[in-house]
Amino acid sequence: QKEVEQNSGPLSVPEGAIASLNCTYSDRGSQSFFWYRQYSGKSPELIMFIYSNGDKEDGRFTAQLNKASQYVSLLIRDSQPSDSATYLCAASNYGGATNKLIFGTGTLLAVQP
Amino acid sequence: DAGITQSPRHKVTETGTPVTLRCHQTENHRYMYWYRQDPGHGLRLIHYSYGVKDTDKGEVSDGYSVSRSKTEDFLLTLESATSSQTSVYFCAIRKDRVMNTEAFFGQGTRLTVV
Repeated sequence: QKEVEQNSGPLSVPEGAIASLNCTYSDRGSQSFFWYRQYSGKSPELIMFIYSNGDKEDGRFTAQLNKASQYVSLLIRDSQPSDSATYLCAASNYGGATNKLIFGTGTLLAVQP
Repeated sequence: DAGITQSPRHKVTETGTPVTLRCHQTENHRYMYWYRQDPGHGLRLIHYSYGVKDTDKGEVSDGYSVSRSKTEDFLLTLESATSSQTSVYFCAIRKDRVMNTEAFFGQGTRLTVV
């Protein structure tokens, strides 16, 4: 079992709709969580991070964290074709001196014009 | 641009040859990571470093070794390359252990083992 799991998709949504991306993690020691976007052939770039239970909003993006259920999600409102990319969820554990950062397999999002 | 340079950007090598990939940073960040990315597997952590000469294994460390003799350079070595190591390799850096610290990625190295 991977430490961070995502549905690989593709998730197809029409332009203007809400896209919902989900992620679960197995390590209860994970303390912070990150959503990265990766366009084909490019490097991942950070969209949002979250480390407190609840919702965190930034523009069209909302990250949600539920530590009891070990569940993280990303909502993209008013989806645009330019949002079409692979979305990677990552979890970080700060135990000891190390700072491991583990990624899920990513969810491919396709926004249809 | 977070000051990360990966070299080479592309490499084709033969099975059984040693290969070293370099990650160089200009930001003096403490944490550095090597990932490989393959279709269907996402980013998988190979090795990471939390200081000079301080390294640890990740999810898929077999067949790889790393070294970090100075803060700015993190080297990934394939001692004897195999076709299963054909992949895109990403280096990432991270400043510190604060919980909201993001990782910045290099441009990637596309390695083909024939």
